[in-house]
Amino acid sequence: QKEVEQDPGPLSVPEGAIVSLNCTYSNSAFQYFMWYRQYSRKGPELLMYTYSSGNKEDGRFTAQVDKSSKYISLFIRDSQPSDSATYLCAMRRTSGTYKYIFGTGTRLKVLA
Amino acid sequence: DTGVSQDPRHKITKRGQNVTFRCDPISEHNRLYWYRQTLGQGPEFLTYFQNEAQLEKSRLLSDRFSAERPKGSFSTLEIQRTEQGDSAMYLCASSLTGPSTDTQYFGPGTRLTVL
Repeated sequence: QKEVEQDPGPLSVPEGAIVSLNCTYSNSAFQYFMWYRQYSRKGPELLMYTYSSGNKEDGRFTAQVDKSSKYISLFIRDSQPSDSATYLCAMRRTSGTYKYIFGTGTRLKVLA
Repeated sequence: DTGVSQDPRHKITKRGQNVTFRCDPISEHNRLYWYRQTLGQGPEFLTYFQNEAQLEKSRLLSDRFSAERPKGSFSTLEIQRTEQGDSAMYLCASSLTGPSTDTQYFGPGTRLTVL
């Protein structure tokens, strides 16, 4: 079993929809959580960063961490065709390592 | 500040050749990471530096791989005797340590094709 699980998709939604992207993890020691957007053949672009639990909002993006369920989410409101990309979650432990573990990524298609 | 830069962006080589990639992190970032990404997968950690010290290496990093970060600035990743299985995107990221923060910023990557 992988430490971080992410549905690879593709997930297709109409323009303007609310998108929910999720990752589950097995290591309860993970405390740092990040979401990245990656366009084809480009480097990942940081979207959201969360330390420990709770919600964080930035524009159309909201990140949630539920440590009791070992589950993190990224919500995209008013999705646009330009949001079509692969979304990667990443996480790491608090101590002992600075290595981030990434999910496989979810491919999102927003249809105009 | 122009972000993390990587050179070259693309590299095609023949099996058995050596290749070297360069990464220039965001200035003042003290941590630098190397990852490898294959099609349909997320980035896989290879190694990371804090300043000039290489503090962690993945088991993925075989003896054919070596990384350096002299003087704690740019970094190089060398692959010796390349194999077709080394074909991948090699990503570099940097971050600045701080209380409760460790956000990594990625470069555009170097795409390696081994023929």
